[in-house]
Amino acid sequence: GAGVSQSPSNKVTEKGKDVELRCDPISGHTALYWYRQSLGQGLEFLIYFQGNSAPDKSGLPSDRFSAERTGGSVSTLTIQRTQQEDSAVYLCASSSTGRAYTFGSGTRLTVV
Amino acid sequence: GDSVTQMEGPVTLSEEACLTINCTYTATGYPSLFWYVQYPGEGLQLLLKATKADDKGSNKGFEATYRKETTSFHLEKGSVQVSDSAVYFCALPQYSGAGSYQLTFGKGTKLSVIP
Repeated sequence: GAGVSQSPSNKVTEKGKDVELRCDPISGHTALYWYRQSLGQGLEFLIYFQGNSAPDKSGLPSDRFSAERTGGSVSTLTIQRTQQEDSAVYLCASSSTGRAYTFGSGTRLTVV
Repeated sequence: GDSVTQMEGPVTLSEEACLTINCTYTATGYPSLFWYVQYPGEGLQLLLKATKADDKGSNKGFEATYRKETTSFHLEKGSVQVSDSAVYFCALPQYSGAGSYQLTFGKGTKLSVIP
């Protein structure tokens, strides 16, 4: 597509529920990144996928967070047993050069 | 490790005022430097970049010069408009192995321009 598409744009969930956030990167972009943007924390790197290589998961804050990328395209970020501190905007970005990212509009997650 | 320190704001300016948002960095070597902008309700967009010392990035009337001697990449605009109201992020890429570049961001500076 023309840009990075994320869905849903907003998600409200109850504490303890699992959520799935989706990212559809720009066609042909081999690199895909997830970041989290929360008040007072700025932008935090979560996970990175590059082609068929093993993902760089060094930014995932706990084992409740996981992500996969199917067929080198669409990615899903899953948060299990959500907590209130998980409330944030989750941003996905893709890149063909490894440096110039194109970001999606994000998913605003609210855990109540 | 590499880091970015950015003026946090918020900054409120009248239309046509001059803008400077300070950004300094700590890095090994000479990384590329970026400014991203986030308009209300949207994701981040690349505003401008510089890839080596003394380079000047420019876009939409904004400029930033990569200063190696002061390790700075300050964002400037001579005359801001209401439509420039947004959050601005300074960023630098860090190579983290296996072809992975993570962008390290400053905390963001919220700019509000009033008519």
